[in-house]
Amino acid sequence: DIQMTQSPSTLSASIGDRVTITCRASQSLSSWLAWYQQKPGKAPKLLIYKASTLAGGVPSRFSGSASGTEFTLTISSLQPDDSATYYCQQYNNFSWTFGHGSKVDVK
Amino acid sequence: EVQLVESGGGLVQPGGSLRLSCVTSGFTISTYPMNWVRQAPGKGLEWVSHISFSGGSTYYAHSVKGRFTISRDNSKNTVYLQLSSLRAEDTAVYYCARDFFAFDQWGQGTLVTVSS
Repeated sequence: DIQMTQSPSTLSASIGDRVTITCRASQSLSSWLAWYQQKPGKAPKLLIYKASTLAGGVPSRFSGSASGTEFTLTISSLQPDDSATYYCQQYNNFSWTFGHGSKVDVK
Repeated sequence: EVQLVESGGGLVQPGGSLRLSCVTSGFTISTYPMNWVRQAPGKGLEWVSHISFSGGSTYYAHSVKGRFTISRDNSKNTVYLQLSSLRAEDTAVYYCARDFFAFDQWGQGTLVTVSS
């Protein structure tokens, strides 16, 4: 099974900061990588799919990119509403794996 | 409006069984594969099971294979997850999720607690 190594596990940043979260896959998975945002007590929300495609209704300050087996979620200008835990998710051969999550605190 | 509503969770003893339901509305369920994802208290997300749009193909995480069974009734707009031989480590909120390039719509979840 493909393993996803997500970092950092936690980060604290200020409003307006540029924030980057990274997921590294244990093997090639093409572009089948998604990013989700989850707030406490709520279901996850899809942000990005196919590594870089923004889901409907998601603010344009969120973006995704890929380079080999490394995938990045960037928040270009952090907002108070972005305080949440972010998960990457890979799909390969009818198996899905989530990263362990990155908790973002907005100072 | 797309909606997914899970139900059927509760307290069950180790070794027991439970059936979860996910009733959907606002879209044609028969054209989408569906998934179950769980989240143990204070932990991350774990994919549990996937069913094709027709129900003809099913897939499971290693941790639940042989114990859980996913099914669907498109005429009732419902996806099911039968949980058997439950263990303490199956305690989690169980979410159903629609599959469209990724898990694009989620329910609010139903809590399953396995404890004696």
